[in-house]
Amino acid sequence: GAVVSQHPSWVICKSGTSVKIECRSLDFQATTMFWYRQFPKQSLMLMATSNEGSKATYEQGVEKDKFLINHASLTLSTLTVTSAHPEDSSFYICSALAGDVEQFFGPGTRLTVL
Amino acid sequence: GQNIDQPTEMTATEGAIVQINCTYQTSGFNGLFWYQQHAGEAPTFLSYNVLDGLEEKGRFSSFLSRSKGYSYLLLKELQMKDSASYLCAVMDSNYQLIWGAGTKLIIKP
Repeated sequence: GAVVSQHPSWVICKSGTSVKIECRSLDFQATTMFWYRQFPKQSLMLMATSNEGSKATYEQGVEKDKFLINHASLTLSTLTVTSAHPEDSSFYICSALAGDVEQFFGPGTRLTVL
Repeated sequence: GQNIDQPTEMTATEGAIVQINCTYQTSGFNGLFWYQQHAGEAPTFLSYNVLDGLEEKGRFSSFLSRSKGYSYLLLKELQMKDSASYLCAVMDSNYQLIWGAGTKLIIKP
């Protein structure tokens, strides 16, 4: 099946620093990727839709200047959490759309901001 | 508004059968997904239904009734490793997934 990777798997950073998370589709091209975050014991919450070659579409309530998304190629999307704060600590998951329907999820990145 | 409902938690016995229900109200319908998620991990895809009826895949089966806005995931011959959260998600008319909150399934020996 299609494989999506994320890097890093986990990251710990100091408050005020920026963190970049990469999402790669390893064996297929994805014009559309999605970024989710998940708090403990809650379902995934869509943050933004990343389209290759164009600006990302952010969900209501998600700050586009804080969560910078770049989808520069058909196999790579990046999420940069700028000036991270402890409340940004969460599990960030990306997915890539294969065809029109099926999403393949990355393994997730656990961010802890001290 | 769009809404996905599924039970918060269920308990079953190893070797038994369990059915997890999901009801939905969405703007458009392009299929319903079931995902399994173990604690601390991203959800993994289990099934996709877009037509009415039952789809069987090994120990797991998924059923869909579009007219009733209803689906269920059936797990047979339960194993301890099946302890996880099961997420129901509907793809709406914009091809975005609307997620349920998930059902935590606890398997007891």
